[in-house]
Amino acid sequence: EAQVTQNPRYLITVTGKKLTVTCSQNMNHEYMSWYRQDPGLGLRQIYYSMNVEVTDKGDVPEGYKVSRKEKRNFPLILESPSPNQTSLYFCASSFSENTEAFFGQGTRLTVV
Amino acid sequence: QKEVEQNSGPLSVPEGAIASLNCTYSDRGSQSFFWYRQYSGKSPELIMFIYSNGDKEDGRFTAQLNKASQYVSLLIRDSQPSDSATYLCASDTGRRALTFGSGTRLQVQP
Repeated sequence: EAQVTQNPRYLITVTGKKLTVTCSQNMNHEYMSWYRQDPGLGLRQIYYSMNVEVTDKGDVPEGYKVSRKEKRNFPLILESPSPNQTSLYFCASSFSENTEAFFGQGTRLTVV
Repeated sequence: QKEVEQNSGPLSVPEGAIASLNCTYSDRGSQSFFWYRQYSGKSPELIMFIYSNGDKEDGRFTAQLNKASQYVSLLIRDSQPSDSATYLCASDTGRRALTFGSGTRLQVQP
């Protein structure tokens, strides 16, 4: 089954404790993106990747890191999480920059 | 100016009516447009996509694109309570993949 898999689904952590949210897709897609979703603000792009070793900032990259060492994986790293990063996070993949995006199940992150 | 704009709603319609959802975009270079439906706490799922000016119909859904006015709409005919959700409009914005609007919340009243 074609899918985008994120883990974990839920995470509560403390300020400053490094964490990684994993994302994997099995559709051989070139593009992968991370979005955060907050009430009233919609989906805002954090980072995107056009291919292996090629990443770039989206609209809200501060406080986040990403890497794309393999085509299927695109982890999101929070080196020092802060409470303002409490949000619902989605990973998405697509064949190209102007085709349908497929979303993971989402990760609800709470930073206390 | 936001690249993709939507009225946040809520848009309330009675069951069986036509729901009309609207979206404007700022990048004249955008070529592809998408409508996603999102239930609370769930992932967005694709409803329709449209690339050409005019109308595109799929079952109860019709997407309309007017590139001259930079306007995209989604019509839902015979609205059902199960259509109650947030509808996200998205367009391509060059290399960055899809940019999303903030969504319109639709409430279909039984």
